[in-house]
Amino acid sequence: DIQMTQSPPTLSASVGDRVTFTCRASQSISSYLNWYQQKPGQVPKLLIYAASSLQSGVPSRFSGRGSGTDFTLTISSLQFEDFATYYCQQSYSLPFTFGPGTTVEI
Amino acid sequence: EVRLVESGGGLVQPGRSLRLSCATSGFIFDNYAMHWVRQAPGKGLEWLSGINWQGGDIGYADSVKGRFVISRDNATRSLFLQMTGLRPDDTALYYCVQVGRAAALKSWGQGTLVTVS
Repeated sequence: DIQMTQSPPTLSASVGDRVTFTCRASQSISSYLNWYQQKPGQVPKLLIYAASSLQSGVPSRFSGRGSGTDFTLTISSLQFEDFATYYCQQSYSLPFTFGPGTTVEI
Repeated sequence: EVRLVESGGGLVQPGRSLRLSCATSGFIFDNYAMHWVRQAPGKGLEWLSGINWQGGDIGYADSVKGRFVISRDNATRSLFLQMTGLRPDDTALYYCVQVGRAAALKSWGQGTLVTVS
């Protein structure tokens, strides 16, 4: 199975900051990497699919990059509503696997 | 609007079985693969199982392989998860998920809570 890791586990930031966090796969997954946002008590929401494609309705301040084993999610200017946990997930091969998440704190 | 509504969760004793259902609307059900994902209280997301549009291609996480069975009924636009041999560590909120481009998990239900105790 493909293992996913994320860093850092927690990130402290302020409104307006540019933040980047990373996701790494244990083997190449091409560009089959997706990012989700989950706020406390809410359902996860797809932000980015195929490493860099923005899901419809997601603000353009979110962007994703990478291929192979190393990926990043960047929020260009952090907004109050962006404080949440972000998960990466590989959809390259079954079983699909999630990373442990990065929590963005105020 | 895509709507996914899970049901069938509840309190169950260890070793017993439970069948989860997911009723769908707002999209052409038999055009899409569907998956189950769970989240234990205070923990991260765990992918459990997926099924392609016709039911011929199925996968499971190692943690549930041999105990859980995914199925779908395209006629009734429903997804199912038959869970047997339930353990306390199966306690979680179980989400039904529609799969989109690049097999990303596009639309999520609100989840149904399974408590094994």
